[in-house]
Formats: sequence, structure tokens, C-alpha cells
Amino acid sequence: GQQLNQSPQSMFIQEGEDVSMNCTSSSIFNTWLWYKQDPGEGPVLLIALYKAGELTSNGRLTAQFGITRKDSFLNISASIPSDVGIYFCAGQEKETSGSRLTFGEGTQLTVNP
Amino acid sequence: DTGVSQDPRHKITKRGQNVTFRCDPISEHNRLYWYRQTLGQGPEFLTYFQNEAQLEKSRLLSDRFSAERPKGSFSTLEIQRTEQGDSAMYLCASSSRQGGTGELFFGEGSRLTVL
Repeated sequence: GQQLNQSPQSMFIQEGEDVSMNCTSSSIFNTWLWYKQDPGEGPVLLIALYKAGELTSNGRLTAQFGITRKDSFLNISASIPSDVGIYFCAGQEKETSGSRLTFGEGTQLTVNP
Repeated sequence: DTGVSQDPRHKITKRGQNVTFRCDPISEHNRLYWYRQTLGQGPEFLTYFQNEAQLEKSRLLSDRFSAERPKGSFSTLEIQRTEQGDSAMYLCASSSRQGGTGELFFGEGSRLTVL
């Protein structure tokens, strides 16, 4: 089935540093989304991207929909301790009957104060 | 709180027992999804409802699993004859057809431990 390759698997950074993570797929996606998940909680939507080449920001977060429609990246600027968590990319191949999302395996982010 | 609500948050059961999880979606959302997440992995799609109709099921959803959304509002996910491999976080999400495509809003999950 469809797989998303997300990298890196984990990151250890100092507070104030910028972070970048990316996701690639073997198929074309119509939608890319980025979620953050804290331990024991459900994923929370951060950014949604709908058009190839689209660059969208949400505060210190910036994400881009790759022009090939097979990749996306997420940048976090000036990281703070509360950025700790697991970040997931998710994609939708097409407007199927259910807008089903396929998720990457996540990037575990640790921010040292 | 008008987000997606799941109950129970945690369930510990013995192998062979049946368990049921409930999900209350965001009230104006007509689409409801169930996902399963194991440790270190991203969520995996199980099934999807539009209103009360179950429109799609994953191959992950064995015949021991059944999901319902009888009135197009809340949903239940039942697992019969649980196995240790069923231990996971079961996530419910909802979305609106009028909303952005793919914007799923998740609940806090129901963590199942099968002993």
C-alpha cells in the first residue's frame, strides 16, 4: 500500500534553533497535512496544504507542498520547549469517498532548554 | 468543549474479552473516521462513515472488528475476542464535507491494553 517516508525519525536540538523535517511519497498527493502529537493524546492539525508549490505559515511553522506533489516539508523557527512532540505528515491521494489520510511514521522532536 | 470526544480513554482487558469504544464527533461534522496507532507508528486507517453509512473499510479491519454509526452522530467500535495484537491506541476523527479536504480533527484516543 501507499507509504510515506518521513525524516528524520528523531531530532535533538537546543532551544532557539530552527528545525526542518520532510516527507516523501511514491504517489502523487492532492493534499498534505502536518500534525503534532503529544504523549497519550490525539494528533492536532498544524497546517494543511492544497496546491503544488503552496507555502503556508502558522506562527513559527512553515510548510510547503512540493511541486512534484510527492513531497512536503515542515520548518519550525526559533524552537521552544513546548515544541517537543511527534510531528506527522499526512497525505490524501485524491478526493476518494472518504478523504482518507495516509500518515508518515513521525519525527520525534526534543528541545533542550 | 466542542472537539472530538472518545470514551474510555484507557481500557485494560484480558485476551478473549470484547471491548467497545465510543466516539462523539464535532457536532456539525458528517464524516467520521477510526484509526489505529501502535507505538512508534503513525495512525493507520480502519474505517470511515459519512453520516450513518459506512463507506470504506481497511483490510486491517478483521471480522472481529465492527463499527457502527446508527444515527449519523456518535460511533462505536467493537472488538470481539480481543488478542494481544489488538493493543493499540484507537483514534477517532471527524471532518466536514464543507471543510478543507483532508482536514481531520482527532479525539484524544482510547488506549487498549490486552493482557
